[in-house]
Amino acid sequence: GDSVTQMEGPVTLSEEAFLTINCTYTATGYPSLFWYVQYPGEGLQLLLKATKADDKGSNKGFEATYRKETTSFHLEKGSVQVSDSAVYFCALSDNYGGATNKLIFGTGTLLAVQP
Amino acid sequence: GAVVSQHPSRVICKSGTSVKIECRSLDFQATTMFWYRQFPKQSLMLMATSNEGSKATYEQGVEKDKFLINHASLTLSTLTVTSAHPEDSSFYICSARGTPSSYNSPLHFGNGTRLTVT
Repeated sequence: GDSVTQMEGPVTLSEEAFLTINCTYTATGYPSLFWYVQYPGEGLQLLLKATKADDKGSNKGFEATYRKETTSFHLEKGSVQVSDSAVYFCALSDNYGGATNKLIFGTGTLLAVQP
Repeated sequence: GAVVSQHPSRVICKSGTSVKIECRSLDFQATTMFWYRQFPKQSLMLMATSNEGSKATYEQGVEKDKFLINHASLTLSTLTVTSAHPEDSSFYICSARGTPSSYNSPLHFGNGTRLTVT
């Protein structure tokens, strides 16, 4: 079945460092891909998405490009801030079944940014 | 837009009692809602898909008689943990697709409910 694999955390960086969180997926079709962020004690928020190959999703300085050839959707940010400390989830949704399609999540990667 | 409200945010109950968690879509209609359980070290597990006006679809390994889901209206789904035990203590999160709703619409999440069973 479809699945998402994320790099294990925690990832600890100093402020203004470059961030990469790796995400690869396995899917039989052409899924849509998402990154969600979860701040402590809260639910998940959509960070960015891409719905087809070569699409680049971006938001709040974060970017991820849908790479069909490598089945990847790595999250990057050029300069992280302390406020970016959170858990980041990569997810996919296959393109069948309409609105009832569930999201399949990776295990999440904890990012801790130190001042 | 696309706000999902979950209530309560925290609940403590005694072993053997039942707890109801509500999930509301505040500014949109949600024919489908999803219930997740988050385990320590952040792993997120889909428990069930809640469908308005019909029975929920449970994931493999989730006890439907223990985790009762009701989706009686287009804006409200409830999860009732029946005869709760300490091992049911967890963080439960609901979500719904915004409108227009399709396979590539993102999910909008509630802020979760921290359940502690003593």
